[in-house]
Amino acid sequence: DTGVSQNPRHKITKRGQNVTFRCDPISEHNRLYWYRQTLGQGPEFLTYFQNEAQLEKSRLLSDRFSAERPKGSFSTLEIQRTEQGDSAMYLCASSVLHNEQFFGPGTRLTVL
Amino acid sequence: AQRVTQPEKLLSVFKGAPVELKCNYSYSGSPELFWYVQYSRQRLQLLLRHISRESIKGFTADLNKGETSFHLKKPFAQEEDSAMYYCALIPNRDDKIIFGKGTRLHILP
Repeated sequence: DTGVSQNPRHKITKRGQNVTFRCDPISEHNRLYWYRQTLGQGPEFLTYFQNEAQLEKSRLLSDRFSAERPKGSFSTLEIQRTEQGDSAMYLCASSVLHNEQFFGPGTRLTVL
Repeated sequence: AQRVTQPEKLLSVFKGAPVELKCNYSYSGSPELFWYVQYSRQRLQLLLRHISRESIKGFTADLNKGETSFHLKKPFAQEEDSAMYYCALIPNRDDKIIFGKGTRLHILP
């Protein structure tokens, strides 16, 4: 499968724990995006990278959230001290500059 | 503020009937408009974009800048069209996508 992959697909954690998600983009895609989708809503932009540089962060991305793309390939999204309000589907997408964003299957986070 | 509005959460249409999913946007410049679709148990995927002006799976969408609308239409619904549809815009070329809340299209047999 040469599409965008995300791991894990599901994560259940207790409030206060840290979690980390991984996104592997389509190879040679230089742009990588993170979105969050809660029930009944469309995806909301969180942040994006061009190669290893993080170019923009949404106000939704509190200081408990951090994203990295250290070598310009895969990316990780970490949430520290999780809260119940963090429960959502976290989507990753990748693209070549100026072109269509291809989405991964998402990681569903449940915070108990 | 940049915003995409899809007024219908759920739209039920009989097979063979015409479909129209409504979308209005708020943006002062010239955005790129899109429709994304998510079929059951599949990932979000691009259906069509206004700049390409093409018909995909029988669907078309015309950008009306005067009414700031980008409604999605299909003359004859098919059962396989049942899915979640999201209208979206990119305010600047190469920027993040702003999505509407989505409309669930249910095609009745």
